[in-house]
Amino acid sequence: GAVVSQHPSWVICKSGTSVKIECRSLDFQATTMFWYRQFPKQSLMLMATSNEGSKATYEQGVEKDKFLINHASLTLSTLTVTSAHPEDSSFYICSARDGTGANVLTFGAGSRLTVL
Amino acid sequence: AQKITQTQPGMFVQEKEAVTLDCTYDTSDPSYGLFWYKQPSSGEMIFLIYQGSYDQQNATEGRYSLNFQKARKSANLVISASQLGDSAMYFCAMRTAVTSGSRLTFGEGTQLTVNP
Repeated sequence: GAVVSQHPSWVICKSGTSVKIECRSLDFQATTMFWYRQFPKQSLMLMATSNEGSKATYEQGVEKDKFLINHASLTLSTLTVTSAHPEDSSFYICSARDGTGANVLTFGAGSRLTVL
Repeated sequence: AQKITQTQPGMFVQEKEAVTLDCTYDTSDPSYGLFWYKQPSSGEMIFLIYQGSYDQQNATEGRYSLNFQKARKSANLVISASQLGDSAMYFCAMRTAVTSGSRLTFGEGTQLTVNP
C-alpha cells in the first residue's frame, strides 16, 4: 500500500530557531500534499495544501511567512517553521492522496515539535 | 460550508463486544465521501473505511462497517468484536467535490477505550 514517510518524528528546538519537517511519498507520486496541525486532545486542522511546482495554498489564519512550504518534487514536500515560538509546539502531520479510486489520504506518522 | 460532528468525546466497550461511534455531517454538495481514521497514541492516522455518497450499500472492511444513513446525514462506525488494540482516537472525516483535491474536514474525534 501507499506509504508516506515523515521526518523527524519529534524535534525540540529553542525559541527563535527554524525547524524543517520532511514529508515523502515512498511508492507513489504525489502532486498534492496536505499539512495538518493537531494540538493535544484536538482534531486535525488543515494548514495548507502543498502543490508540486507551485505555491502552496494556505488556510485562513495560517501565516505563510511563518510556515514555509516547498514541494520541489513529486515525492517530497517540506514544512519549515520559521522563528519558532513555544505556541508553535504541536503535532504536525502530512498526508498525500494515493491515487486509488477512493482518493484515500495516506498520512505520515507525524512530527511532534516542542519549542523551548 | 462542510461540517463533521462527533458528539461522543469518549466511549468505553468491553473486549469482544461491538461498539458504535457516531458521526453526523452537513454539506450541500450532493457528491461527497466519508472516511473514518484511527489514531493510536503514537499519532499516526490509520485509514479504516470509506463510504461514497452514491454508494448503494454500506461499506464494510473486516470488523469495521459504516452505517450510512443519507437522509439523516449520519455515518456511524461500527466495530465488531472489539479488541484491546482498538483503543485509540477515532476521527470521522468528509471530502466534498467542492473542496480542492482530497482535502478532508475532520470531526473532533472520539476516544475509544476497550476494557478487558
